[in-house]
Amino acid sequence: QITLKESGPTLVEPAQTLTLTCTFSGFSLMTSGVGVGWIRQSPGKAPEWLVFIYWDDDKRYSPSLKSRLTIIKDTSKNQVVLIMTNMDPVDTGTYYCAHRRQYSNNWNAGFLDYWGQGAPVTVSS
Amino acid sequence: DIHMTQSPSTLSASVGDRVIITCRASQSVSNWLAWYQQKPGKAPKLLIYEASSLESGVPSRFSGSGSGTEFTLTISGLQPDDFATYYCQQYNTYPSFGPGTKVDI
Repeated sequence: QITLKESGPTLVEPAQTLTLTCTFSGFSLMTSGVGVGWIRQSPGKAPEWLVFIYWDDDKRYSPSLKSRLTIIKDTSKNQVVLIMTNMDPVDTGTYYCAHRRQYSNNWNAGFLDYWGQGAPVTVSS
Repeated sequence: DIHMTQSPSTLSASVGDRVIITCRASQSVSNWLAWYQQKPGKAPKLLIYEASSLESGVPSRFSGSGSGTEFTLTISGLQPDDFATYYCQQYNTYPSFGPGTKVDI
């Protein structure tokens, strides 16, 4: 049974750095082909994909946010950490981590079959 | 970037209705298209992948079709649990989601 859970601050000040942790179970990020993604959703808006990280430490970032994002995995803890710099009020929303279904070698792409419950983040002073 | 659109943005329906939601891509995504259902305060739930493959555990009243740039999600016999917002997502390249279709009573 695959589960994921996000954790981190609910309030971040503008210009500060957001760090979110995804703790997962039911799969291993050491297994060939496995990937985890981060997706965010502003209130009342569609989800927006941010990044994928793979078992071999390959990382694929959204081109529009690449300069602000860093993703790290800790396979010993079954965790993936998302770091987003220079936070702005428009970054307010719910941040999800999710398991990427293995389906092809197109590592830029993918769909998500298991999602965490989401971590609400408000950017405000 | 591949831009996704959906129509309608809101759909009013009744239990038992057949509901069709359309998703269009700004360029061909082949059949690399997924559909999700989202309820308020919850994460999206995968319903359909590869345009027409039903995810395990999803009721068979949900079906998907299409390829290239035009896709549909059909709910045959709307149930009370189906009132939600539905999103399409292409994964031919960097993933992008449609703006959503809210199905309400």
